[in-house]
Amino acid sequence: ETGVTQTPRHLVMGMTNKKSLKCEQHLGHNAMYWYKQSAKKPLELMFVYSLEERVENNSVPSRFSPECPNSSHLFLHLHTLQPEDSALYLCASSQQGADEQFFGPGTRLTVL
Amino acid sequence: GQQLNQSPQSMFIQEGEDVSMNCTSSSIFNTWLWYKQDPGEGPVLLIALYKAGELTSNGRLTAQFGITRKDSFLNISASIPSDVGIYFCAGSTNTGNQFYFGTGTSLTVIP
Repeated sequence: ETGVTQTPRHLVMGMTNKKSLKCEQHLGHNAMYWYKQSAKKPLELMFVYSLEERVENNSVPSRFSPECPNSSHLFLHLHTLQPEDSALYLCASSQQGADEQFFGPGTRLTVL
Repeated sequence: GQQLNQSPQSMFIQEGEDVSMNCTSSSIFNTWLWYKQDPGEGPVLLIALYKAGELTSNGRLTAQFGITRKDSFLNISASIPSDVGIYFCAGSTNTGNQFYFGTGTSLTVIP
């Protein structure tokens, strides 16, 4: 595997479910990001991890909980989501100090 | 937060035509990036710009970092059907920090 991978690619969940999104990067980067992409809106940065420490949390509701166990893996734990949380969730990685971010294919999340 | 205005929102062009799109910000940026996103996929980096006035090419794509540092332009020459997708600009005020994204330009190429 190369680049940035995300699983699952599609997820449908009820408002009372708990699920997790997984991201893995094979680029040797040390910074990872979660973005939310909704229709007709710019990408919204949710969380940034640099050297496995969370450095950015852009006022994201607590029903989204990130976890970065090492520099190659990033998780987004989901619980008691709302229908308006339905979106494409994108993971990205970069090398600390560099600007180019490389994105995964995303997880298409639908909350019923 | 920073506002990035990207235009046009959508374009329908004939195969072989040239395409131009631009992005403007309310603040000065130190870096501009241009991405393309295909349906069902994540954005793919096309071009990165680091200096005001810089003009960079990647095949048929050319992007420029505006002199004012508040805008950037992307041109595609001799469009082909596989150019179809959504093109995003992104800007950053500091290296390695948060990027702000435009709302995208949806490009349709008619064979």
